[in-house]
Amino acid sequence: GAVVSQHPSRVICKSGTSVKIECRSLDFQATTMFWYRQFPKQSLMLMATSNEGSKATYEQGVEKDKFLINHASLTLSTLTVTSAHPEDSSFYICSARVAARTDTQYFGPGTRLTVL
Amino acid sequence: GENVEQHPSTLSVQEGDSAVIKCTYSDSASNYFPWYKQELGKGPQLIIDIRSNVGEKKDQRIAVTLNKTAKHFSLHITETQPEDSAVYFCAACLSGNTPLVFGKGTRLSVIA
Repeated sequence: GAVVSQHPSRVICKSGTSVKIECRSLDFQATTMFWYRQFPKQSLMLMATSNEGSKATYEQGVEKDKFLINHASLTLSTLTVTSAHPEDSSFYICSARVAARTDTQYFGPGTRLTVL
Repeated sequence: GENVEQHPSTLSVQEGDSAVIKCTYSDSASNYFPWYKQELGKGPQLIIDIRSNVGEKKDQRIAVTLNKTAKHFSLHITETQPEDSAVYFCAACLSGNTPLVFGKGTRLSVIA
């Protein structure tokens, strides 16, 4: 299957700082990437859909000014958590759809964010 | 919009037995149904998927069945092994650019 990477895998930061998470499709071009967050023992919650070269579409209840998403190329999307607070601590996972097959979706390994 | 229900939430089986996880969906237009396995601290891994033009798909010990009329699909794992222990998620969407809608997950424990 296609490979999606995320960096960093873990990050600990102080309250008020901003954190950037990168998501890369390593062996395919992804016209669409998705960002999810997952709390312990819960399902994946879609935060936003990111299409290359256009603005991200955010799900209801997700603050677009707090969670900045950039999809500048067909292989890279970034999520920046601005002015992070302890309640933003979570497992953030990206996924990518292979451009040629628009339904199959591959996930990255996730980023564990801890805000102190 | 689409809503996916998944049962059971937890499942324990003896090694070598079969495990079945069931999901129902609400939107009859949905036509793509993947299953993901998530191990602790890792991202979900696609293990099998099925599209609405087929009723069953098999890959070694894993099979998925789809009943479009009843709007439900199931994951079957035969000859379970301890390494099958994980959380399994079903999902559904309308093929194209619509996001996947996930079930709440099933925590499978395979007891040696």
